[in-house]
Amino acid sequence: EVQLLESGGGLVQPGESLRLSCAASGFTFSSYVMTWVRQAPGKGLKWVSIINGGGDITYYADSVKGRFTISRDNSKNTLYLQMNSLRAEDTALYYCAKKVTIAGHNWFDPWGQGTLVTVSS
Amino acid sequence: DIQMTQSPSSVSASVGDSVTITCRASQGISRWLAWYQQKPGKAPKLLIYDASTLQSGVPSRFSGSGSGTAFALTISSLQPEDFATYYCQHDNSFPLTFGGGTKVEIK
Repeated sequence: EVQLLESGGGLVQPGESLRLSCAASGFTFSSYVMTWVRQAPGKGLKWVSIINGGGDITYYADSVKGRFTISRDNSKNTLYLQMNSLRAEDTALYYCAKKVTIAGHNWFDPWGQGTLVTVSS
Repeated sequence: DIQMTQSPSSVSASVGDSVTITCRASQGISRWLAWYQQKPGKAPKLLIYDASTLQSGVPSRFSGSGSGTAFALTISSLQPEDFATYYCQHDNSFPLTFGGGTKVEIK
């Protein structure tokens, strides 16, 4: 069974940093594109970033470009999101998700349970 | 960036009703659209991809249609477990974007 378990969320002040982790199991992690999606409290889904299986191709939403870095450690079956210069508007539940197929388009399933990031002074 | 606009933002329906949700892309995206279901306090779940392909394990009362800029998700014969929020997502180019969501509520 595919499982994704996020961790690393918490309460931080504006300008601070945080690193999220997503531990994956139940599939050949290095073969799959992975993504981060966030959801502000009571709001909709917002795509954040994506990384290919090898970890050398990444894309970001404009709102986080230059501040967030997605990476992966395929030896540890773990996806990361390094978040720097955090802002109040980054407050959200952060989900990691697995691309459904190795090839094809970027559709995601399953998703983890999410980790909450709160940026507040 | 491609904007995804869903309508309505919410709909009230009864068990057994048929409901259609629409999603419009700001530019043509061929058939590169997915639909997700999210229940309160839970992670999203993929229902349909490539506009009309049902994800494994998803009941056949869910169906998707459309191409280009106009898409629809239809739930025929609503079941109690279908009351949730539904999102569309495109994969025509980066950045990926989601629609604003449609909440299906019990009438």
